[in-house]
Amino acid sequence: DAGVTQSPTHLIKTRGQQVTLRCSPKSGHDTVSWYQQALGQGPQFIFQYYEEEERQRGNFPDRFSGHQFPNYSSELNVNALLLGDSALYLCASSLGIVRYGYTFGSGTRLTVV
Amino acid sequence: KQEVTQIPAALSVPEGENLVLNCSFTDSAIYNLQWFRQDPGKGLTSLLLIQSSQREQTSGRLNASLDKSSGRSTLYIAASQPGDSATYLCAVSPLNTGNQFYFGTGTSLTVIP
Repeated sequence: DAGVTQSPTHLIKTRGQQVTLRCSPKSGHDTVSWYQQALGQGPQFIFQYYEEEERQRGNFPDRFSGHQFPNYSSELNVNALLLGDSALYLCASSLGIVRYGYTFGSGTRLTVV
Repeated sequence: KQEVTQIPAALSVPEGENLVLNCSFTDSAIYNLQWFRQDPGKGLTSLLLIQSSQREQTSGRLNASLDKSSGRSTLYIAASQPGDSATYLCAVSPLNTGNQFYFGTGTSLTVIP
């Protein structure tokens, strides 16, 4: 049973560029949440997608956007990259609301230079 | 806004010792609490999930307790092993937001052989 799959694992981008990160949820899960984890910090909630719509959003600018596809997979897009966007981006899947907790992927390490 | 604090920030113990990691949160109106383990540069691995109606959960050498009224949770690790070395993160899901977890900054554990 595959867990949460994220791609790519590592990425280097130049300031001002755009990036797309991808996530496939655990089999049977229908909800995808994205988190940003800066070095030495706990993960910060970006947004959550359910039924192909953004259900909840954290305190992140509009440069961060996402999408969920009919097969429940999801993309995170970041426009006009800043040096401060360098972080580990984590995808978590769950069944509906967080009653049963999250399953996390291994993350995408984004470095902006 | 929910604030989650983990003490200590770092802990070093000899192999075989029993240890306790602490987590406190400011708003006791939570849906559930989840403990995770994170190896350097990796994603999060779920250890234990405690629903708001529960007092504790156990898995192998791990035991997590929850005292909602005081806003505290503890993770007890019995007979520690070098393979337990990692960062341990506590996360809570507040009732009023329901769909996101708020994370602490973690406790970095080193078990010395």
